[in-house]
Amino acid sequence: NAGVTQTPKFQVLKTGQSMTLQCAQDMNHEYMSWYRQDPGMGLRLIHYSVGAGITDQGEVPNGYNVSRSTTEDFPLRLLSAAPSQTSVYFCASSSRGVFETQYFGPGTRLLVL
Amino acid sequence: AQSVAQPEDQVNVAEGNPLTVKCTYSVSGNPYLFWYVQYPNRGLQFLLKYITGDNLVKGSYGFEAEFNKSQTSFHLKKPSALVSDSALYFCAVRDSQGAGSYQLTFGKGTKLSVIP
Repeated sequence: NAGVTQTPKFQVLKTGQSMTLQCAQDMNHEYMSWYRQDPGMGLRLIHYSVGAGITDQGEVPNGYNVSRSTTEDFPLRLLSAAPSQTSVYFCASSSRGVFETQYFGPGTRLLVL
Repeated sequence: AQSVAQPEDQVNVAEGNPLTVKCTYSVSGNPYLFWYVQYPNRGLQFLLKYITGDNLVKGSYGFEAEFNKSQTSFHLKKPSALVSDSALYFCAVRDSQGAGSYQLTFGKGTKLSVIP
């Protein structure tokens, strides 16, 4: 099992550019989510999905889009990058159930100039 | 709405001494509580969780946490700290009730430094 994988590990964008952060898991988890981590802010939920075809907004969804066409993949799209989106992004997955443990990917460090 | 507070940004402890990292929470229903650890430039690793039952939960690497419902706390503890325990620790909560019951809310993190 590779667990939760994320690509790329590091990316530099210019303001206004678009990109997709990839996330995949091989544990057949129904629940997947995206967080951003900023110094002193902890992790904040961007979007989440409880299954293929179902997505919902988290705490900080503005500027980000997601889709879930398969159980395995949950890409995060930045349509027009802004410096405020400079952050470290983590994808996580878990089985469906409020007591289930979320497992995290290694993260993508994004710098928007 | 659910929330988590980690009142200490940083905790310093001497190697071999006991350590405590504090966490308090607020939920509408019953809490499901988690501790994660993050080493530099790495993702979050799961340490332990409280779902129900025994208030003392044992987890990975010798860590344990005590659930206290009356004080709405879930403090992380270890009897004897190691230098390798130095990392960023996050407490997180899910609420058993409400529309956001799948959402995991994190505290801001506590940096633990174990001094040789």
